[in-house]
Amino acid sequence: GQNIDQPTEMTATEGAIVQINCTYQTSGFNGLFWYQQHAGEAPTFLSYNVLDGLEEKGRFSSFLSRSKGYSYLLLKELQMKDSASYLCAVRDQTGGFKTIFGAGTRLFVKA
Amino acid sequence: EAQVTQNPRYLITVTGKKLTVTCSQNMNHEYMSWYRQDPGLGLRQIYYSMNVEVTDKGDVPEGYKVSRKEKRNFPLILESPSPNQTSLYFCASSFGQGAGELFFGEGSRLTVL
Repeated sequence: GQNIDQPTEMTATEGAIVQINCTYQTSGFNGLFWYQQHAGEAPTFLSYNVLDGLEEKGRFSSFLSRSKGYSYLLLKELQMKDSASYLCAVRDQTGGFKTIFGAGTRLFVKA
Repeated sequence: EAQVTQNPRYLITVTGKKLTVTCSQNMNHEYMSWYRQDPGLGLRQIYYSMNVEVTDKGDVPEGYKVSRKEKRNFPLILESPSPNQTSLYFCASSFGQGAGELFFGEGSRLTVL
């Protein structure tokens, strides 16, 4: 079956670094995405990993280990506007491309 | 501007009254999909389409229908809505056959009384 786990909530301080973990189980893995979703808004794309390793994009980095079924999103120099939900999503190619989402991690950034 | 447009954005309806939520994208994407988002459950896929006239069930298709007669449009049809279909619905599209990142519409909040 398919399963994606990530923490429900996290709190961090402005200017700090936070790591949001995601573990997944899927039969036809074909890439992992991270999306950001502010309250009341649509998800927006942050990052994509298909090979093992770290992808860096400004203040955001994402890591993937396919053998461990594990990814993390690293946010540096946290800003108040980073308060949002972060969605881990796995693309599964079993019978066509489907993107399966975790329940999301709500990040609260405090001053 | 590249976008995915959903209508209506908000709707309150009653049990059994057929409704359609429209979705249109202007990015010439082959892949389109519908999700519903409920507290604690995240985004769950209802139906997806990899191209015109090609649709397939996602994880929670019961009570929904879709059609893909044109590349740009992918309407979601609730033939006989029930209260358990009260949710926030998102339409999304992607280039290729689901190969790229998803571009989401702004969401449609549906309440079924």
